Amino acid sequence: EADIYQTPRYLVIGTGKKITLECSQTMGHDKMYWYQQDPGMELHLIHYSYGVNSTEKGDLSSESTVSRIRTEHFPLTLESARPSHTSQYLCASSFGFANEQFFGPGTRLTVL
Amino acid sequence: GENVEQHPSTLSVQEGDSAVIKCTYSDSASNYFPWYKQELGKRPQLIIDIRSNVGEKKDQRIAVTLNKTAKHFSLHITETQPEDSAVYFCAARKNSNSGYALNFGKGTSLLVTP
Repeated sequence: EADIYQTPRYLVIGTGKKITLECSQTMGHDKMYWYQQDPGMELHLIHYSYGVNSTEKGDLSSESTVSRIRTEHFPLTLESARPSHTSQYLCASSFGFANEQFFGPGTRLTVL
Repeated sequence: GENVEQHPSTLSVQEGDSAVIKCTYSDSASNYFPWYKQELGKRPQLIIDIRSNVGEKKDQRIAVTLNKTAKHFSLHITETQPEDSAVYFCAARKNSNSGYALNFGKGTSLLVTP
């Protein structure tokens, strides 16, 4: 089934750890996005990608990095997690000039 | 860059009443305005959208209106039901230099009481 998948769904880690949040989509979309959202609150764009080998930073300053080596895969990495990174991270994708963005289920990250 | 303001932040209505959520945007070049519904613990899902060449769009109990001159757009939900309770986000699409990313409002928490 065409969808956006995020793993893990929940993650609790200690300060200073390196983590990678995975996002894959089977929708054939070329554009992908990462948003940070505290539960029920505003969505902040932190990274986006036009396509393979294209990545850009969004509006919200983030210490994370992303890569786009394959069209369907857009992982987000935190080199050294801190309690301020505790939040929900939502991956999204869209196709071409079409506008609808589809969201993944999110990863809820807690940094102790 | 684009700035989207959304009001109210919380809205409580009785079942069967109408609910209206309003958003304003700053970038006159914005041309796509979606509305997303996010239920507790779930991902945001598109419920309706409108493009700048249209003034109004309706889908059953949900309608969106757009006033390009005033740079504001509104979501209208009629005959509200308890399952309409959720957080609603408006958004405006940035220009193509930003990867067609969406700029979201801060959300409206809608509660429909039986």
